[in-house]
Amino acid sequence: GAVVSQHPSRVICKSGTSVKIECRSLDFQATTMFWYRQFPKQSLMLMATSNEGSKATYEQGVEKDKFLINHASLTLSTLTVTSAHPEDSSFYICSARDGARRLNEQFFGPGTRLTVL
Amino acid sequence: GESVGLHLPTLSVQEGDNSIINCAYSNSASDYFIWYKQESGKGPQFIIDIRSNMDKRQGQRVTVLLNKTVKHLSLQIAATQPGDSAVYFCAEGAWAGNNRKLIWGLGTSLAVNP
Repeated sequence: GAVVSQHPSRVICKSGTSVKIECRSLDFQATTMFWYRQFPKQSLMLMATSNEGSKATYEQGVEKDKFLINHASLTLSTLTVTSAHPEDSSFYICSARDGARRLNEQFFGPGTRLTVL
Repeated sequence: GESVGLHLPTLSVQEGDNSIINCAYSNSASDYFIWYKQESGKGPQFIIDIRSNMDKRQGQRVTVLLNKTVKHLSLQIAATQPGDSAVYFCAEGAWAGNNRKLIWGLGTSLAVNP
């Protein structure tokens, strides 16, 4: 149980285009989802926290108009990188918290590798 | 082998040896700590967690030690195997409103030599 999927697993796009990444909880209801980005050989950096049905809370320094997060259902959150540039190339990882379990547990997706040319 | 994680260190051990990965955390108010394993190109995988009211917790081949006095966390892996090669992150749980978010350490790369 507690499986989180991400789609696509990797994407290559041209500079200036927008890219949408999906995060799904497959066997539980995710009341809260988290989006992270990770550069090579670095740690995970939390970008935003989203609760189902409400606006995402962005971390300091993360542009909410550039990284659009939608958490419209209890099993799906999307991250849209708008007008992507090469510096947005990174590994994007989502995690989800099961509303039926204790507050501490986050279950992570396999990540999405974004390359912007 | 042993490492101290203020940068991104690499710990190299022989198969069968015990590994100790260290982590210094920052927030004295944190009450929950987790160790994750991340293999190349994959998402983090939960290993073991510990609450602040404990100083030791054991799992299968892994032990986490917590020293709140010096804000130090360690992960011990017994009889390290090649499949244990990965980057290991400690994370501390911090409350942000009604949500608990994770603050991540820098990570330690573990290389197991056969």
